[in-house]
Amino acid sequence: LAKTTQPISMDSYEGQEVNITCSHNNIATNDYITWYQQFPSQGPRFIIQGYKTKVTNEVASLFIPADRKSSTLSLPRVSLSDTAVYYCLVGEDSSASKIIFGSGTRLSIRP
Amino acid sequence: DTGVSQNPRHKITKRGQNVTFRCDPISEHNRLYWYRQTLGQGPEFLTYFQNEAQLEKSRLLSDRFSAERPKGSFSTLEIQRTEQGDSAMYLCASSLGGGDRPLHFGNGTRLTVT
Repeated sequence: LAKTTQPISMDSYEGQEVNITCSHNNIATNDYITWYQQFPSQGPRFIIQGYKTKVTNEVASLFIPADRKSSTLSLPRVSLSDTAVYYCLVGEDSSASKIIFGSGTRLSIRP
Repeated sequence: DTGVSQNPRHKITKRGQNVTFRCDPISEHNRLYWYRQTLGQGPEFLTYFQNEAQLEKSRLLSDRFSAERPKGSFSTLEIQRTEQGDSAMYLCASSLGGGDRPLHFGNGTRLTVT
């Protein structure tokens, strides 16, 4: 399974765009990239998933370069409620047997 | 809301006692996962089921831990002879399909062993 590396923490201010980059140098051909958000005392929540190029939904965008060795989660115009831990996961398609979380990035948003 | 439900939300027990947690996944989801999370760490994989079959179990899981998913519906996680090191949040997640399908997590059961 591909290992991921993320910054331990990041700080930003309300209204700013926040980009969290995840490194996954050993990503395999069949691996997807998935991001989750977790608030205290809650389980992680799926944010976005992609395989290549760019994916956008109502919450975030995910940018994946051609070599797929990294990915960037982009949160537009963050608010205080975006303060959370963000996890980047890399896993295979339906043949995967388990999904491994790293330590995540603790994002703190200030007024 | 028919999301993943976990019970109880909190459990306090004395060292040496047995505890059992329950997870009710989203009804049509065939995969069910158990994770353990301690403060400041990401969720740690424990085991997962595809329907009623337990397909993978972490090598970190001691023999005191056992999980079942009878009839491929709800699941239980039992910890026998609890130790203080078992204190953690136990998370359950379900998905429809394999590793590329998003996991839907419950809000966990927080276990405190005194």
